[in-house]
Amino acid sequence: EAAVTQSPRNKVAVTGGKVTLSCNQTNNHNNMYWYRQDTGHGLRLIHYSYGAGSTEKGDIPDGYKASRPSQENFSLILELATPSQTSVYFCASGVRDWGLEQYFGPGTRLTVL
Amino acid sequence: GDSVIQMQGQVTLSENDFLFINCTYSTTGYPTLFWYVQYSGEGPQLLLQVTTANNKGSSRGFEATYDKGTTSFHLQKTSVQEIDSAVYYCAMRPLYQGGRALIFGTGTTVSVSP
Repeated sequence: EAAVTQSPRNKVAVTGGKVTLSCNQTNNHNNMYWYRQDTGHGLRLIHYSYGAGSTEKGDIPDGYKASRPSQENFSLILELATPSQTSVYFCASGVRDWGLEQYFGPGTRLTVL
Repeated sequence: GDSVIQMQGQVTLSENDFLFINCTYSTTGYPTLFWYVQYSGEGPQLLLQVTTANNKGSSRGFEATYDKGTTSFHLQKTSVQEIDSAVYYCAMRPLYQGGRALIFGTGTTVSVSP
């Protein structure tokens, strides 16, 4: 069954530390996305990718980098984590046509102390 | 700019009550609109999508209606059950590409008591 998986599911980091969140999809979708979910803000787009080797900035990219080394994998990198980046992060994949469904992973809960 | 507004942050119901969640959007033209549902501990999943071509969509007992005149898109269910307790997100795909993904509303938490 096609799926989007994320690791780790929970992460506690220290301020100033580096954090890498990983996402893997077996949907063979070209597009992948990283969102963060916060109360009162819903889902906000951080970075996205059209395919291997491509990354694009979303609505709130500051403080985040992304890497898409292959069709299946898309990482979100926090080089210098801050407490304001405490959130739940979701990865999603989708076909090239933006009008079609996005498939979400189960989320990663990140706490930055 | 483009936006999706969900005014209802929380809705509390009893089983067999009627559910109505409203969403309004702002963009150029007539976008494709979606309702996503997120159950506790899971990622969001598509509930249904509607374009201007059909104006209505339905899935799992839920119905959504797209009103171009008022730029609104509401979700309803005649008789909710406890298993419908979840967060519901309205989302929009603007007509232009511009590199965007979906634009989500802030979500409505629906709590249904038995």
